[in-house]
Formats: sequence, C-alpha cells, structure tokens
Amino acid sequence: GENVEQHPSTLSVQEGDSAVIKCTYSDSASNYFPWYKQELGKGPQLIIDIRSNVGEKKDQRIAVTLNKTAKHFSLHITETQPEDSAVYFCAARSRRPGGSYIPTFGRGTSLIVHP
Amino acid sequence: EAQVTQNPRYLITVTGKKLTVTCSQNMNHEYMSWYRQDPGLGLRQIYYSMNVEVTDKGDVPEGYKVSRKEKRNFPLILESPSPNQTSLYFCASSFGTGVNNEQFFGPGTRLTVL
Repeated sequence: GENVEQHPSTLSVQEGDSAVIKCTYSDSASNYFPWYKQELGKGPQLIIDIRSNVGEKKDQRIAVTLNKTAKHFSLHITETQPEDSAVYFCAARSRRPGGSYIPTFGRGTSLIVHP
Repeated sequence: EAQVTQNPRYLITVTGKKLTVTCSQNMNHEYMSWYRQDPGLGLRQIYYSMNVEVTDKGDVPEGYKVSRKEKRNFPLILESPSPNQTSLYFCASSFGTGVNNEQFFGPGTRLTVL
C-alpha cells in the first residue's frame, strides 16, 4: 500500500519568514495530493490540493509543488503569520486493493510562527 | 450549516465497557470514514464506507466496528475497549473519493480508556 513520509515533524519560524514542508510517497499511481491544516482543538481542514497532472498550484500565500518523477510534493507558506501556527498534514490518494481511492496521511508537521 | 458532528467530544471509560461514538453529516455525502490520531503517528484510517451498507477496513481496524445503515450516520463501536485505544478520533465525509472531493472532518472525540 501507499506510504507517505512527512518532514520535518516540527518547524519553528519567525513571522514573515517562509516555511516549507516536504512529503514523499511510494505509490507511483497516486494521483491526488491534498494538504490539511489542523488548528488546536479542531479537525483537519483542507487548505490546498494538487492533481498528478499539475506541477504547481498557488493560492495567495500558500503553494504546493509536485515532482512525480521523484515522488515528492511540498507545501510552501510565504510571509508567515502567527495564525499560520498549526499542525499540517499531507496526504496521497491511491487505489486500495478493493478498488476504492483512499488518502494516506503523513505524520504531520507542527508549525510554530513566532511573532 | 454544513458540518460533521461527533458525540461525545470527550469520553473517559474503563477497559471492557462497550462504547459508541456517533458521527453524523448533513451534506448528503456518500463517503464517510473514521481516523485515529496519535502523537507522532498522524492520522490513521480505521474504517471507511463508500455508501449505505458498504463498509471496509482501513489501516488499523482491529478492535473497532462500524455500521452504515443510513447515509448521514456512521457510528464507531468499541465492543471491548482497551487502553491502547486511548486516542483522538475523527470522523470525515465527502461526496466521493475522486479528485476535488474535499474531505470534511468532525471536531474530534478524545477517548481515554483506563
């Protein structure tokens, strides 16, 4: 099955700096890569996603890049703000033996933005 | 308001005492799933359901049961809870599992088994 590795587990930056979180996946057939943000005491929420036929996608201060050959994708946050502090999860959607497409999550990155 | 609700939000119980965590969504989603979140291990899928009466095991199904008798509800059942099931549980739903099918997560249920 799919295996998703996420690094780093903790990331501490100063307000205004950029933050990069990286993920690798094992199943070359994975075709959809969402990123989730989990604020304290809440469930994860989708913030950006990318399909396997796209190399980069941007939404204001956040962007995601995908390298299919290397099987890795990254989340980039520019001009970080204290409210960006949260746990971020990457995921890769792959086909399970029964035929269903199910996401596999990384272990999460705790981002801390210091004012 | 479109949402996924879970109850209870917090639960402390003892080993072997059967419990059920309810999950309900009001978005007419076909796909629902349960995850557990543990420190350093991220989100691991327990069970999922593609539609009414259709359920399948995720990555960590041992010790859990689910049912999908109605489209909106997907309860998680622990027949005989054990301390290693102490965790934070999330229910999620989406229209399907295709691309652009955003998963909506509930607020979580923190379970402690003594």
